[in-house]
Amino acid sequence: DARVTQTPRHKVTEMGQEVTMRCQPILGHNTVFWYRQTMMQGLELLAYFRNRAPLDDSGMPKDRFSAEMPDATLATLKIQPSEPRDSAVYFCASAVSYEQYFGPGTRLTVT
Amino acid sequence: AQSVTQLGSHVSVSEGALVLLRCNYSSSVPPYLFWYVQYPNQGLQLLLKYTTGATLVKGINGFEAEFKKSETSFHLTKPSAHMSDAAEYFCAALNRDDKIIFGKGTRLHILP
Repeated sequence: DARVTQTPRHKVTEMGQEVTMRCQPILGHNTVFWYRQTMMQGLELLAYFRNRAPLDDSGMPKDRFSAEMPDATLATLKIQPSEPRDSAVYFCASAVSYEQYFGPGTRLTVT
Repeated sequence: AQSVTQLGSHVSVSEGALVLLRCNYSSSVPPYLFWYVQYPNQGLQLLLKYTTGATLVKGINGFEAEFKKSETSFHLTKPSAHMSDAAEYFCAALNRDDKIIFGKGTRLHILP
């Protein structure tokens, strides 16, 4: 069955390095979300796109985070430079009719 | 602003007992409401949703939820808990900006 895929599933990197996370939404879904989940903050919405256009990225630290959808089959979330406080699980979700389907997440550890 | 409140960050029930996870929302308009489940090391999975129509909504794995407008509640229930139900559960509501607002989550523990 159709699923949202995310790569990599795990990433360990050193502070200051660039991190790129990728998401392939379900074919036909026109809305894509990026979330971050931590024990302290829970689930936070970072950004979302509709028909590849960014609608809201107010949840993202603008100085280091960027999100793009170069085409309908790929969404990317980039952190440059990464910091230890960015350690979290990052989820991508794609949606149709307000039902969001989540990917398995990328567990990021920044040392 | 839209908000979702889940009462109890941890709930423990015995296997076979009733599961009740509470959710209240704040909204000036009838909302779309959702329950999601997250198993360890996985993404969130939609359990059920309420949009319009029947206020008792049935979902997967034997769960159901009832929309009560007068109480602004959307509590999740299951008649008989199973060990496999141990997970974190999130209530969510769609806000005016077409964004889904999630509650903080309730971790359900099943006691043998």
